[in-house]
Amino acid sequence: AQTVTQSQPEMSVQEAETVTLSCTYDTSESDYYLFWYKQPPSRQMILVIRQEAYKQQNATENRFSVNFQKAAKSFSLKISDSQLGDAAMYFCAYKVHYQGGSEKLVFGKGTKLTVNP
Amino acid sequence: DARVTQTPRHKVTEMGQEVTMRCQPILGHNTVFWYRQTMMQGLELLAYFRNRAPLDDSGMPKDRFSAEMPDATLATLKIQPSEPRDSAVYFCASGLTAGRFSGELFFGEGSRLTVL
Repeated sequence: AQTVTQSQPEMSVQEAETVTLSCTYDTSESDYYLFWYKQPPSRQMILVIRQEAYKQQNATENRFSVNFQKAAKSFSLKISDSQLGDAAMYFCAYKVHYQGGSEKLVFGKGTKLTVNP
Repeated sequence: DARVTQTPRHKVTEMGQEVTMRCQPILGHNTVFWYRQTMMQGLELLAYFRNRAPLDDSGMPKDRFSAEMPDATLATLKIQPSEPRDSAVYFCASGLTAGRFSGELFFGEGSRLTVL
């Protein structure tokens, strides 16, 4: 069974500094997707960044970047120049698409990020 | 501005009552997921539909939960009878999958259910 582990229940960072959130996953599949979602207090789940497993290059979206280590099954999120609006729960997620048509999106337990002014 | 719409946003009910949550996926999306979020368990997958067909409902308690897609614009999650342990936030998400392509999921704002 696929599992996603976020070992840091809580993290804090000073405004304008850089923080890295960890994520590891377990799978026997070779083709899959990885995501980071942000959930602010409003409850809305917002996609932050996405990575296809077959792509070697790490995904980047403005201040957000990932360090994808496929062999180590690691997918960490780096937030540069942290802003107060980055404070939220961050969920790492793994998605696999089976040939029979079914899909599975599995989430980690989340990391609560606090940004200190 | 395309978005996933869920109703109700909040629901308080008494144990034993029937609860129905509704979801309108984004037009053109062919996959729908239902998730339940609690502090203890995090986000749990309840059901997955593709082209309106239920392909995975292994995470859903079968005795009291049911999920359907009567048409492409409506997905429903029903609990009958409801129990206090069902109290959670229920999320619907939709996406587009075609061949090997699997797009991102767009989430609704969730339905917060409290069963007394």
